[in-house]
Amino acid sequence: EVQLVESGGNLVQPGESLRLSCAASGFTFSSYAMSWVRQAPGKGLEWVSDISGSGESTHYADSVKGRFTISRDNSKNTLYLQMSSLRAEDTAVYYCAKTRSPTMYNFDSWGQGTLVTVSS
Amino acid sequence: EIVLTQSPATLSLSPGERATLSCRASQSVYNYLAWYQQKPGQAPRLLIYDTSNRATGIPARFSGSGSGTDFTLTISSLEPEDFAVYYCQQRYTWPITFGQGTRLELK
Repeated sequence: EVQLVESGGNLVQPGESLRLSCAASGFTFSSYAMSWVRQAPGKGLEWVSDISGSGESTHYADSVKGRFTISRDNSKNTLYLQMSSLRAEDTAVYYCAKTRSPTMYNFDSWGQGTLVTVSS
Repeated sequence: EIVLTQSPATLSLSPGERATLSCRASQSVYNYLAWYQQKPGQAPRLLIYDTSNRATGIPARFSGSGSGTDFTLTISSLEPEDFAVYYCQQRYTWPITFGQGTRLELK
């Protein structure tokens, strides 16, 4: 059974940094691209970033480009999102999601989410 | 960026009725369109990928159709557990985008 467990969410002040983690199990982690998708309170889903199985290819939403960095450690089956220069509009539940197949960016497994609140 | 526009914003129906949800793309996404269901307090669940393929474990009452810029999710006969928010998503090009959602509510 696929399991994705996010951690690292917290209350931070604007301008601060935070690192999210997603521990994966139940599948061959290195074979699948992974994504972060966020959801602001009461709002819809917003794709944030993704990374290929090898970690060589990454993509970012314009709203986070230059501030967020996605990475992975395939030896630890863990996905990361390093977030810096946080803004109030980054407040959201952050989900990590597994792609349905190595090259098809639909998301067939999701974590439970971790809440990031940016507020002074 | 490809914008996905879902309609209606809210759909009010009763169990047993047929639900038809629409997703329109600002440019062609070919058949690379997926649908998700999200219930309050839960993560989204993949229902349909590549327009018409049901994900693992998804009941046959869920079906998808369309191509290019116009897509439809149909729930043939609503069950009580189907009342939720539904999102479409395109994977044709980056940035990956989602629609704003359709809320399916109990009439």
